[in-house]
Parts: sequence; structure tokens; C-alpha cells
Amino acid sequence: DTGVSQDPRHKITKRGQNVTFRCDPISEHNRLYWYRQTLGQGPEFLTYFQNEAQLEKSRLLSDRFSAERPKGSFSTLEIQRTEQGDSAMYLCASSFATNEKLFFGSGTQLSVL
Amino acid sequence: TQLLEQSPQFLSIQEGENLTVYCNSSSVFSSLQWYRQEPGEGPVLLVTVVTGGEVKKLKRLTFQFGDARKDSSLHITAAQPGDTGLYLCAGDQAGANNLFFGTGTRLTVIP
Repeated sequence: DTGVSQDPRHKITKRGQNVTFRCDPISEHNRLYWYRQTLGQGPEFLTYFQNEAQLEKSRLLSDRFSAERPKGSFSTLEIQRTEQGDSAMYLCASSFATNEKLFFGSGTQLSVL
Repeated sequence: TQLLEQSPQFLSIQEGENLTVYCNSSSVFSSLQWYRQEPGEGPVLLVTVVTGGEVKKLKRLTFQFGDARKDSSLHITAAQPGDTGLYLCAGDQAGANNLFFGTGTRLTVIP
């Protein structure tokens, strides 16, 4: 299967801990997006990469959130000092071109206790 | 605030019935996409509409983009239990690097 993969699928952590999620996009795609989805809502855009360049990060929810894509392939999303309000599904998507068809991963479900 | 509002938020119908889901905004979009999402999975693209007034059909699903490119609808004919899921519209604004997703419509089709 060569779709978008995310790891882990589920993460339970205690408030104040740091967490890191990984996304492996479809290999031919140079654009990678991170979204957050809370229960009953649509995905909310967080940040976007074209190759290794992070072209949009103003919508990251706070300075506790950071993302990297060091070699233009896989990406990581880190949340420092997690809070209960960070509990959500974190979705990664990739595409060939900006706002063309997005291929989503299955997401990482984060629960902060 | 959400750029795209979807209605209804929840819809539960019997198998074989028809339904329409709406996606509305005060903003103009270059294109609009519809996705379906199942529990525990990411959204999957169903269709993209680009031209104002455009109608696209995908088997029993009919998608329409408003003339002013501010709204869209999804009509399902003779709904099946397999149509159950969260339907999301997503708009692309010129110059934006991301899609704006709607609030979603959760559809349940009862056998």
C-alpha cells in the first residue's frame, strides 16, 4: 500500500508531556499538509510544506506546536507541554499540487489526560 | 469562525430515501471539493467542482456548485447503508495554500 501513513494511530499522554507524530506521504507528492480535527468538526488547517520548505505556519495553534520535513519526505508534528485541549485527531495529507486532490492518512488520535 | 457552514449537521434516514446536504459560505471559492470520512479514517475525495453552476454526477451522488461559487450541494438518490459517513465540503480560495473545510454533515442510513 503506497498511501499516506501516520504513526502512531493512537497516543495517550499526560498533560505537560511532549508528543511527536510522524507522517509518510505518497512518495511522488511534494506537498504535505497537517490538519487537526476535533469531534463533530471538519479538519482545521495547521501547516503546509512544499518539499522541505514550510510555506505556511501562521495557523499553528500556539508556539507549543512545531512541524518539520527535513528531507522533503516524511514529516513530524510535535506538541510540547500538552494540554487537555490538544486532544484531537491529527491528520496528515499530501498532494501533487496546491489544493489539488488531497490524500489523507488515517490520522493520529491524541488523548491528553 | 468557519468559512463554510454545512447543513444539516446530522441526518438519519431510511435506506432508499433521497437526501440533500448543503455547504454555504459568504466567500467565493476557486473550487470546491466534497469528501467522505468514515470513523477512525481520514477523508476521501469524492469530487471537485470548479465552474459556477457546474453539476457533476458520481453514480447516485449529484454535486452542484453555485453560480456565484459561494455554495454547493450534494444530493444522494436512493441512499444505501454504505453511504453512511461524515460528508465534508472544502473550499479553495485564490492565493491560499490550504483547503478550508466545512463543519460536516454526519449521515446515517438505516437498513
